[in-house]
Amino acid sequence: AQSVTQPDIHITVSEGASLELRCNYSYGATPYLFWYVQSPGQGLQLLLKYFSGDTLVQGIKGFEAEFKRSQSSFNLRKPSVHWSDAAEYFCAVGDNAGNMLTFGGGTRLMVKP
Amino acid sequence: EAQVTQNPRYLITVTGKKLTVTCSQNMNHEYMSWYRQDPGLGLRQIYYSMNVEVTDKGDVPEGYKVSRKEKRNFPLILESPSPNQTSLYFCASSFSLTSGSKQFFGPGTRLTVL
Repeated sequence: AQSVTQPDIHITVSEGASLELRCNYSYGATPYLFWYVQSPGQGLQLLLKYFSGDTLVQGIKGFEAEFKRSQSSFNLRKPSVHWSDAAEYFCAVGDNAGNMLTFGGGTRLMVKP
Repeated sequence: EAQVTQNPRYLITVTGKKLTVTCSQNMNHEYMSWYRQDPGLGLRQIYYSMNVEVTDKGDVPEGYKVSRKEKRNFPLILESPSPNQTSLYFCASSFSLTSGSKQFFGPGTRLTVL
C-alpha cells in the first residue's frame, strides 16, 4: 500500500526567507506525486504535480518541487516566502492505476513578518 | 464556472440518523472521490468512482456508502452516523488521476455527529 509522510507538522519562517517542506512517499512503482495547499477555511488547491519526465517541477505561486527517486522524496520549495503563503500544505501520492490518492498528514506553515 | 459543489456545507446531527451529503460537478469528469480530513491525519480517501456505476473503496470506507447513477453526482451516504464520523468532508473530481488533468475539490462539508 502506498503511504506519504510529512515529517514536519508545523514550520515557521520569516517573510522573504526560503522554504522547503519535506515529503517522503512509499510506493512500489513510479508514483504520481502532488502538492496541495489549503488556506484556512478553504478547500484544496493544486500547487504542482509530477507524473514523469523532468524531476524538477514548477508550480503556481512560485513553488517548485523535486522528485528524488533514490530518496523517495518530493520536497516542495519556494525561494522567498510571502505572508500569503501561510496555509497548510499536503503532499499526496497517486497509484499508477489512477484510482487511489493518499495524502500525508500535512505541514502547517506560519510566516513571521 | 467549473466547480464542484457540496451540500450541505455544515451539518449537525445525532447518532443513528441517516444522512446524505451531495456532491455535483459540472465538468463532465469521469473520476470522483470522497475524502475526510481530520487533524494530523491529512485527507483520507473514503470511496472513489471511475465512472457511472463504477465505485470502489478507499482507505476508510467503513460506515459510508456511495452511488454513481449519473456522471455529475456522487453522493456520500451515512446510514447510521456515529460520533467518530465527525469530520470535514471533501468531494473531488477530475478526468483521471493519471492524466495531466487537475483534480477539483469542493468547498467541504463540516459534519458533527452528537
